[in-house]
Amino acid sequence: SQELEQSPQSLIVQEGKNLTINCTSSKTLYGLYWYKQKYGEGLIFLMMLQKGGEEKSHEKITAKLDEKKQQSSLHITASQPSHAGIYLCGAPGRLTFGTGTRLTIIP
Amino acid sequence: SAVISQKPSRDICQRGTSLTIQCQVDSQVTMMFWYRQQPGQSLTLIATANQGSEATYESGFVIDKFPISRPNLTFSTLTVSNMSPEDSSIYLCSVGTATNEKLFFGSGTQLSVL
Repeated sequence: SQELEQSPQSLIVQEGKNLTINCTSSKTLYGLYWYKQKYGEGLIFLMMLQKGGEEKSHEKITAKLDEKKQQSSLHITASQPSHAGIYLCGAPGRLTFGTGTRLTIIP
Repeated sequence: SAVISQKPSRDICQRGTSLTIQCQVDSQVTMMFWYRQQPGQSLTLIATANQGSEATYESGFVIDKFPISRPNLTFSTLTVSNMSPEDSSIYLCSVGTATNEKLFFGSGTQLSVL
């Protein structure tokens, strides 16, 4: 079965700083989702990557899938309190999710 | 996009009782799924809710414990039966396109079993 490992498990960042979250797969990915979870709001779809080397951006969040399609990174530029939450990577098809990264933004 | 209404948003239940969680979507969707998120863990797929037929359960989940209904393309229920404290989790309903290219999630049901 596909396993997704995220790092770090938790991250505390000062507002305005940049940060990166990684998602590593034990198998070649056919695509990867990134989601954000805030309590009481359900999961919010951020973006999906399908091709090796693909990079997508949404506001201050950029995600990239490596050429081998086994690792993805999510990068947030100039973090804001609204970025706080749990970030999950997920693999389509088998609907497998990573363990999540809890992001806290300190004012 | 799809708007998903899930209820109840939270409940506290006694051991041995059952709780039914409802998921209503504002449009017809092909795929509906139920997930569980235990404290400190990631999402685990419980089952795929199939319209007009029995749900497809993942390894470790059985129909007697988690009966699922899906009477039409916009509605599904998940029942957590004969609950124990180990069932305390967040339960999430999700809908997707036919190829699961994009998934949308309800806001979840926080279940605590005493």
